Amino acid sequence: QKEVEQNSGPLSVPEGAIASLNCTYSDRGSQSFFWYRQYSGKSPELIMFIYSNGDKEDGRFTAQLNKASQYVSLLIRDSQPSDSATYLCAVPPSGSGYALNFGKGTSLLVTP
Amino acid sequence: EAQVTQNPRYLITVTGKKLTVTCSQNMNHEYMSWYRQDPGLGLRQIYYSMNVEVTDKGDVPEGYKVSRKEKRNFPLILESPSPNQTSLYFCASSQNYNEQFFGPGTRLTVL
Repeated sequence: QKEVEQNSGPLSVPEGAIASLNCTYSDRGSQSFFWYRQYSGKSPELIMFIYSNGDKEDGRFTAQLNKASQYVSLLIRDSQPSDSATYLCAVPPSGSGYALNFGKGTSLLVTP
Repeated sequence: EAQVTQNPRYLITVTGKKLTVTCSQNMNHEYMSWYRQDPGLGLRQIYYSMNVEVTDKGDVPEGYKVSRKEKRNFPLILESPSPNQTSLYFCASSQNYNEQFFGPGTRLTVL
């Protein structure tokens, strides 16, 4: 079983601050990386994906990938209380086709 | 509206009473999957299907069955439910590589 590791949190940040969420993975062959957001009692929804080393920005969200270190992160700028949720890192096992291995998620709390 | 639907959304049942949770998607996706989510364990894949009549086991298939007779439907069957199958279940579908769309979830309690 390929591992995807995340700190469970909770990570607490004040409104307007930058939230930094981290994920490490064990499968060196993985080529794509996904961040899902899950509100309590709701289903996961895709917010970012990244394939190449470096940064990818989408609005207030930035995904960072370092394949050499097997590390992917999600930065949320200008955090809002509505960003309070669990963030799941997902990594497809190499050669798996459509499958995804999910981390257990990091709980983020943005305080007003 | 493009969506994945699941029914029922909530179910309380007793040990040994067969049940089926339905999943349907209207996006013509080839890939469908079932997950269960438990506190502290995260999302774990139960079964998946690459296309009609093609299914395979995920990480935790014991006690579950699936079928894929039509592209849009992927029911999850518990032949003899047990209390350790109490969980939150999600169905998901995908067409593009790895971008999965999730249904609203089914909260199952087995007494």
